[in-house]
Amino acid sequence: AQSVTQLGSHVSVSEGALVLLRCNYSSSVPPYLFWYVQYPNQGLQLLLKYTSAATLVKGINGFEAEFKKSETSFHLTKPSAHMSDAAEYFCAVSSKTSYDKVIFGPGTSLSVIP
Amino acid sequence: DVKVTQSSRYLVKRTGEKVFLECVQDMDHENMFWYRQDPGLGLRLIYFSYDVKMKEKGDIPEGYSVSREKKERFSLILESASTNQTSMYLCASSSSPGFGTGELFFGEGSRLTVL
Repeated sequence: AQSVTQLGSHVSVSEGALVLLRCNYSSSVPPYLFWYVQYPNQGLQLLLKYTSAATLVKGINGFEAEFKKSETSFHLTKPSAHMSDAAEYFCAVSSKTSYDKVIFGPGTSLSVIP
Repeated sequence: DVKVTQSSRYLVKRTGEKVFLECVQDMDHENMFWYRQDPGLGLRLIYFSYDVKMKEKGDIPEGYSVSREKKERFSLILESASTNQTSMYLCASSSSPGFGTGELFFGEGSRLTVL
């Protein structure tokens, strides 16, 4: 069975500081991995996804994530936090099996301090 | 611009009432999903559908049913609402042949309170 853990339900960073949101997954088959963002009072939107091409994936709004198979990790980073980055971030996993489901992690709430 | 529209952003219902949550997508997507979002639990899949009139149970289907009579519309039904169904409900759609391979497009959510 697939699962996702996100270390830290809440992360605070100062404006301009590095953002690091952690995600570890469990999957018995090669995974697809996703990061979604949810701004207040909105639905989720895709930040980036890994589908077995390059291990370093670039997404929207300056975010990127690196797939590390040996560590079963897919951490999300951004070099310099902006106030507009304050949101809930969800890591998700699925597999290449047809009709497989997307499994979401519990989410990490990011606060950006001026 | 792609769009998933959920008919009600906020609902307040009483225990035992029948509740309908409607979702419409304008992207001609084959796959549609209903998730429930609770703090600390992330998103949990209730039901999904990969074709008109087809439905599959997700991880937490108890107490819910769904209907998909048209490709663009996917409804979630709570036959007899209970207080433990107070939650945020998110509808999503995707076009990938396998659910897990593509991007999910989400609506803005319906926050249901059951008193």
